Amino acid sequence: EVQLVESGGGLVQPGGSLRLSCAASGFTVSSNYMSWVRQAPGKGLEWVSVIYSGGSTYYADSVKGRFTISRHNSKNTLYLQMNSLRAEDTAVYYCARDRSAALDVWGQGTTVTVSS
Amino acid sequence: EIVLTQSPGTLSLSPGERATLSCRASQSVSSSYLAWYQQKPGQAPRLLIYGASSRATGIPDRFSGSGSGTDFTLTISRLEPEDFAVYYCQQSLRTFGQGTRLEIK
Repeated sequence: EVQLVESGGGLVQPGGSLRLSCAASGFTVSSNYMSWVRQAPGKGLEWVSVIYSGGSTYYADSVKGRFTISRHNSKNTLYLQMNSLRAEDTAVYYCARDRSAALDVWGQGTTVTVSS
Repeated sequence: EIVLTQSPGTLSLSPGERATLSCRASQSVSSSYLAWYQQKPGQAPRLLIYGASSRATGIPDRFSGSGSGTDFTLTISRLEPEDFAVYYCQQSLRTFGQGTRLEIK
């Protein structure tokens, strides 16, 4: 079964760091484009970052320089390292697989709360 | 940066009716990179349509997508109770529209 499971969310103070993980099963992370998408409470979807199968990475302007997307091939896991966190980063974070230029498999999401 | 504007913001219809949701881009978008998603409360989004008009695996044929250039449409031919949700369009795996809430009238 094709599946994504996120973990690593939690409560963090402004300026702090957190690393999200997204474990994949049923397919190979490194062979696909993989994205992070977030959703602030009561708001719409916001694309955050993507890593291509070749390793290129791209970020939304709102997180550039603070977030880093990466993957561990042998663990078949995607990561999002989040530094210098702000209140506006509070959201549910989803990882998703790209297939045919659309996000066809999504995780259940992990909640990040940035608050003092 | 391409901006996607969805309309209406909220659509109130009854089961059995036809729903037409619009997604307008601030500049031309390749049809190959226009997708639609459905999201229900407390759930992750679900892919409905990719490439502007191709249904994703397992999506009922009452859902259809059309359009090109800057204007795209998601049509639900006959609403079922489970179709009431929020719908988002997305272009090029990046920008999302702000969403259309489809509610029961």
